[in-house]
Amino acid sequence: DIQMTQSPSSLSASVGDRVTVTCRASQSVSNYLNWYQQKPGKAPKFLIYAASRLQSGVPSRFSGSGSGTDFTLTISSLQPEDFATYYCQQSYSIPHTFGQGTNLEVK
Amino acid sequence: QVQLQESGPGLVKPSQTLSLTCTVSRGSVSSGAYYWSWIRQHPGKGLEWIGYIHYSGSTLYNPSLKSRLTISIDTSENQFSLKLNSVTAADTAIYYCARELMVRGSGDCFDYWGQGTLVTVSS
Repeated sequence: DIQMTQSPSSLSASVGDRVTVTCRASQSVSNYLNWYQQKPGKAPKFLIYAASRLQSGVPSRFSGSGSGTDFTLTISSLQPEDFATYYCQQSYSIPHTFGQGTNLEVK
Repeated sequence: QVQLQESGPGLVKPSQTLSLTCTVSRGSVSSGAYYWSWIRQHPGKGLEWIGYIHYSGSTLYNPSLKSRLTISIDTSENQFSLKLNSVTAADTAIYYCARELMVRGSGDCFDYWGQGTLVTVSS
């Protein structure tokens, strides 16, 4: 299985901050990398596919980059509704695997 | 937009079979562009892909669960289902159904999810 490792596991930030979450794959996944946002008690919400393509309706303050084994999710200016847990996920090989999550908290 | 809703028992005894159904509305499971997936989340933990089914009946399972798992589809009812047998406490989790979109040249992604249902394995 391809292991997905996110860093940091948790992050404290303030409204207006620029934040970056990193996801590293144990082997190359090309650009087959997606990002999701999950709030407590809710299902994950799909944000970004193919490493950098924003899902329709997702605010432009979210962006993704990377290829191969190293990827980043950036939120350019944090909004109150962005405090949540973020997961990366690879679909390059079976089984599809997720990172362990990055919990973005209010500082 | 498409909606998915899980249903099934919230409590299953050890060694028995966990059975869940996902009902799809405002969309069709017969669309060839999608797989229909199950994903679970152990309490307070990360996400684990369980497997998927295509309307053609083809399936792909997580090898870690394959020996205990069956995913089926009922196009007439616009539903797909999960059966996991010989369950233990380790199968206690929130189970989500999701639509898996195939993106040419970029892999798959889970673009719509059900709200999730907690299944507890306990005697």
